[in-house]
Amino acid sequence: AQSVTQLDSHVSVSEGTPVLLRCNYSSSYSPSLFWYVQHPNKGLQLLLKYTSAATLVKGINGFEAEFKKSETSFHLTKPSAHMSDAAEYFCVVSEGRAGGSQGNLIFGKGTKLSVKP
Amino acid sequence: DAGITQSPRHKVTETGTPVTLRCHQTENHRYMYWYRQDPGHGLRLIHYSYGVKDTDKGEVSDGYSVSRSKTEDFLLTLESATSSQTSVYFCAISESLAGNSDEQFFGPGTRLTVL
Repeated sequence: AQSVTQLDSHVSVSEGTPVLLRCNYSSSYSPSLFWYVQHPNKGLQLLLKYTSAATLVKGINGFEAEFKKSETSFHLTKPSAHMSDAAEYFCVVSEGRAGGSQGNLIFGKGTKLSVKP
Repeated sequence: DAGITQSPRHKVTETGTPVTLRCHQTENHRYMYWYRQDPGHGLRLIHYSYGVKDTDKGEVSDGYSVSRSKTEDFLLTLESATSSQTSVYFCAISESLAGNSDEQFFGPGTRLTVL
């Protein structure tokens, strides 16, 4: 069975400092992994996705994530936080067809990122 | 929001009443999904559709039904609303079934309060 654990429910950083949002996953098959961002009172927007190509994935707004199979991790990073990055971030896992997918993405519980001036 | 609208955007209703939420897409995507979002739970799948008149249950389907009579519309019905169904509901669409690496595009959400 697949699962996602976001290790921090809330992360606070100062503007201009690095961002690290941690995600560990569990999957029986080759997973696809995503990071979505949700700004207050908005829908979800895809930041980036991993689909078994390059292990370092670059996304929008300067974010990137590295797939580490040995650690079953897919942490999200950004070198320098901006005030507009304040939002909630969701790590998401999806199994391939071999996993008998029933059309389900498994969402982590979210990490709220606060950015201090 | 990738041509996805949800209506209504906000609704307050009373326990025991039926409620229908509508998702409309202009992208002609085959797959449509309904999720609910609750604090501390992330998003959980209620039902999804893989074509007109083809639907299946998700993780939290009890108390909900869905219908899809046209490619562009996916309706979620709470047959008899309960306070535990107070939540924010998101519709999503994708070109292929989740699990094939295609992203899902999300609508703006509907905030439902059941008193």
